[in-house]
Amino acid sequence: EAEVAQSPRYKITEKSQAVAFWCDPISGHATLYWYRQILGQGPELLVQFQDESVVDDSQLPKDRFSAERLKGVDSTLKIQPAELGDSAMYLCASSHSTGNTIYFGEGSWLTVV
Amino acid sequence: DAKTTQPTSMDCAEGRAANLPCNHSTISGNEYVYWYRQIHSQGPQYIIHGLKNNETNEMASLIITEDRKSSTLILPHATLRDTAVYYCIVRGPDYQLIWGAGTKLIIKP
Repeated sequence: EAEVAQSPRYKITEKSQAVAFWCDPISGHATLYWYRQILGQGPELLVQFQDESVVDDSQLPKDRFSAERLKGVDSTLKIQPAELGDSAMYLCASSHSTGNTIYFGEGSWLTVV
Repeated sequence: DAKTTQPTSMDCAEGRAANLPCNHSTISGNEYVYWYRQIHSQGPQYIIHGLKNNETNEMASLIITEDRKSSTLILPHATLRDTAVYYCIVRGPDYQLIWGAGTKLIIKP
């Protein structure tokens, strides 16, 4: 069964450093999502792509977060500079298109110290 | 805000059917009910979804009441590996998943 691939699985970084997460969606999925999940809460959408275009980034803290999907396939989420409050799990997900079932990767755990 | 209400936690004996309820009294006619689960430290796993008819797949069954104001996810023969947080989500016309707190299901041997 095809899966959403994410890396790294775990990342520890110091406050004010830069950190990046990579995601490879299920092959053929045009829609890609990045979510953030704080421990004990449900996931929160950060950004949604349709192919290489951003569809929704209304909840993305744009002063420090950026996301790109240059060729409409894999994607990178960057945080610079990282803050203590960014400690969370960052989830990538994909769907065939907007409205279809969304499938999630295993997530990338970030700890900022 | 989440459009669903679920019990905070539930227990079920291994081998028995686990029935997880969900209230969604404000659901609109074109909104789907989705179920995901999240095993500790892993990403959410899609289980099943439905609009108004009951649905069944290899993982579970989804029973939606006729007025669509509530639904029940049924895991027919629960195993220890089914211990997880189960999320019931109403997916609206903007297709976004708005997550609530979910139900922590504990399967006991």
